[in-house]
Amino acid sequence: GAVVSQHPSRVICKSGTSVKIECRSLDFQATTMFWYRQFPKKSLMLMATSNEGSKATYEQGVEKDKFLINHASLTLSTLTVTSAHPEDSSFYICSATRGAGSFLNSPLHFGNGTRLTVT
Amino acid sequence: GNSVTQMEGPVTLSEEAFLTINCTYTATGYPSLFWYVQYPGEGLQLLLKATKADDKGSNKGFEATYRKETTSFHLEKGSVQVSDSAVYFCALTGGIGRTGNQFYFGTGTSLTVIP
Repeated sequence: GAVVSQHPSRVICKSGTSVKIECRSLDFQATTMFWYRQFPKKSLMLMATSNEGSKATYEQGVEKDKFLINHASLTLSTLTVTSAHPEDSSFYICSATRGAGSFLNSPLHFGNGTRLTVT
Repeated sequence: GNSVTQMEGPVTLSEEAFLTINCTYTATGYPSLFWYVQYPGEGLQLLLKATKADDKGSNKGFEATYRKETTSFHLEKGSVQVSDSAVYFCALTGGIGRTGNQFYFGTGTSLTVIP
């Protein structure tokens, strides 16, 4: 089946530094990738939608200058948390789909997530 | 707006017990409903889905029926196994407009099945 690889699975960084998280579709071309954030005992919150070759669409309340998303190819999207602070500590999950339309025909495939801890 | 409310866990069951994980939703339009499962150390995987009222999604012995009258999509399995231990997420897509392809997830319910 389709596989999405997310790296790293865990990262600890110091406050003020930047962290890059990669999301790769291993056996399909991902037209659209999504980045989610999960708070403890909370839902997965959609942060942004990225389409290959174009700027990401951020959800309301998500700082685009803080969470930089790049979808440079059909198999790779990156999320960079810039100038990280302890409140950015969270679980980040990416997902990818072949299609740009309904998920009914092009299912979402999820990465394993990245646990970010900012000290 | 769109939202999903899922029963809080954790849930601990003995092997072969009956499982129900409740999920209710709020949505405009005609959403599609999903259950995703996350096994330890892995990403989310689609477990089952239903696209319209009264549809029943089923997979691996799990079932869920899209109930529009009660806005629910409860997950059930008649006899759980240790290998079913995972976190289960209920989700919907908005169905219309800009949010038509946006997923809304519940908080997840952790299930542990003991031998």
